[in-house]
Amino acid sequence: KQEVTQIPAALSVPEGENLVLNCSFTDSAIYNLQWFRQDPGKGLTSLLLIQSSQREQTSGRLNASLDKSSGRSTLYIAASQPGDSATYLCAVGPRGGSEKLVFGKGTKLTVNP
Amino acid sequence: ETGVTQSPTHLIKTRGQQVTLRCSSQSGHNTVSWYQQALGQGPQFIFQYYREEENGRGNFPPRFSGLQFPNYSSELNVNALELDDSALYLCASSLGGQGGEAFFGQGTRLTVV
Repeated sequence: KQEVTQIPAALSVPEGENLVLNCSFTDSAIYNLQWFRQDPGKGLTSLLLIQSSQREQTSGRLNASLDKSSGRSTLYIAASQPGDSATYLCAVGPRGGSEKLVFGKGTKLTVNP
Repeated sequence: ETGVTQSPTHLIKTRGQQVTLRCSSQSGHNTVSWYQQALGQGPQFIFQYYREEENGRGNFPPRFSGLQFPNYSSELNVNALELDDSALYLCASSLGGQGGEAFFGQGTRLTVV
């Protein structure tokens, strides 16, 4: 059974800092991995999708990497801003059912002005 | 803006009642997945519909049921509501079988009293 863990559970940083969020998964037989952002009480906004054959994806200040063999992904946020404050969720798409996502519990990020 | 819309946004029901939640998928997407997110947790997969057929189910009892219509919109029905059913219910649409990105709606907050 696939399990996804995100560390840390919460993170507080000053504005402008570069930061890394971690995601680990137990079964390396994945189809893809997706990072989401969730604001309080809201739905999920897709940030980056990495297919299993890819090593990383970039969008603006965000960069996500994937190391399937070690069961790890990281989300790097450059020059953090207060508007980045949210919960960040990592989800893996198991092989054979790529849209049936298995989520971690998320990392709650607070960027202080 | 993902193009995935859910209704209603908030709902209060009494224990033992039945509820129907609705989701309109993004244009061109033929797959809808439903997730339950309890407070402070990551979303948990309930079930998925692909071209009007159930295509996988998570660890949820039969009182959670669903439908997908020819226009690929979907409903989630929950019978005999329990207090623990209180959660944010999320709908995601995707283009099935393509390993593509899942796009989420804003969710329906269900409170069972």
